[in-house]
Amino acid sequence: DIQMTQSPSSLSASVGDRVTITCRASQNIITYLSWYQQKPGEAPNLLIYAASNLQSAVPSRFSGSGSGTDFTLTISSLQPQDFATYYCQESYSTVHTFGGGTTVEIK
Amino acid sequence: EVQLVESGGGLVRPGGSLRLSCGASGFTLSDYWMHWVRQAPGKGLAWVSRINSDASSTSYADSVKGRFTISRDNAKNALYLQLNSLRADDTAVYYCTRGALSGSLDYWGQGALVTVSS
Repeated sequence: DIQMTQSPSSLSASVGDRVTITCRASQNIITYLSWYQQKPGEAPNLLIYAASNLQSAVPSRFSGSGSGTDFTLTISSLQPQDFATYYCQESYSTVHTFGGGTTVEIK
Repeated sequence: EVQLVESGGGLVRPGGSLRLSCGASGFTLSDYWMHWVRQAPGKGLAWVSRINSDASSTSYADSVKGRFTISRDNAKNALYLQLNSLRADDTAVYYCTRGALSGSLDYWGQGALVTVSS
């Protein structure tokens, strides 16, 4: 199975900061990579699909990049509602493995 | 509006069985692959299973293979997950999700809690 490794596992940031989260796949997944946001007590919400495509209704401060094995989710200017846990997921294999998650906390 | 509503969760003893259902509305179920994803308390997301549009193909995570069965009834707009031989580590919130063409999971239900305990 493909392993998905996210880093960091958590980070502290302030409103207005630029935040970058990375996700590394154990093998080439081309651009079969999605990013999700999950707030406590809620279901996850799709942010980015196919590595760099913004899902409908998602604010433009979110962006994704990368291909092959290395991917990045960037929040250009962190807003109060962005404090949450973020997950990457590959859909290259039949087992759609998730990364371990990155929790973004208030500094 | 796309809606996915899970039901059937609850408390079950180790070794027991449970059937989760997911009612779909706001889209044509037969056009989409569907997935189940779970989340143990305080843990991350874990993909469980998927089924293609006409139910001719299914896949499972190794941790549930041989114990869980995914199925669907497109005429009833419903997705199912049969959970057998349940263990304590199957305790989780189970989410029904829709698979987009890109492979991402674009809509999620609110989740159904399954607790396996004696």
